[in-house]
Amino acid sequence: NAGVTQTPKFQVLKTGQSMTLQCAQDMNHNSMYWYRQDPGMGLRLIYYSASEGTTDKGEVPNGYNVSRLNKREFSLRLESAAPSQTSVYFCASSAEPPTGITGELFFGEGSRLTVL
Amino acid sequence: GDSVTQMEGPVTLSEEAFLTINCTYTATGYPSLFWYVQYPGEGLQLLLKATKADDKGSNKGFEATYRKETTSFHLEKGSVQVSDSAVYFCALSDSNYQLIWGAGTKLIIKP
Repeated sequence: NAGVTQTPKFQVLKTGQSMTLQCAQDMNHNSMYWYRQDPGMGLRLIYYSASEGTTDKGEVPNGYNVSRLNKREFSLRLESAAPSQTSVYFCASSAEPPTGITGELFFGEGSRLTVL
Repeated sequence: GDSVTQMEGPVTLSEEAFLTINCTYTATGYPSLFWYVQYPGEGLQLLLKATKADDKGSNKGFEATYRKETTSFHLEKGSVQVSDSAVYFCALSDSNYQLIWGAGTKLIIKP
């Protein structure tokens, strides 16, 4: 029962470096999401994908790019990391479309990113 | 815009104590309301939900009632266990059906 798997779990970058967070789900879900979580704040949506080949911006997309490689995989890329991107990143998926959520999102364990 | 406010943590209780975690919201229309839980080292998972006023969501001994008049969805449990130690997130589904999240409340249960 893998569910949603994220890699890596921890990463330390220097300002200006690039990296990609990987996410895969094995539940045959159409919709996938990337969130970031910062202390004292709720989860904020970065990007989402309603289906393979489509992506849309969420609340805080600046500084990020995404790729929906296939139905299973949704990656998040930081092209030039900044200290403001230090955060915990969560990938999630749902069987429902992003515009019809009844609340059942399935989350990965999170990836803790530190940018020095 | 829509928003969710949760009580700040951490909340520290002894085992078998009564738990309340407060959640209030601001929203246009009639959102659905949710509680998610994140156990240590795991991803978030849906704990319970309510889709209309006066609905009560329940799961694993936890309950929350959708109170439209007070715009609240407080999480309660009659007798907590050490295994309930986790971070609890309140959320609502806005008019665009996107989830708006509270900041999370860390709960620590001491034996």
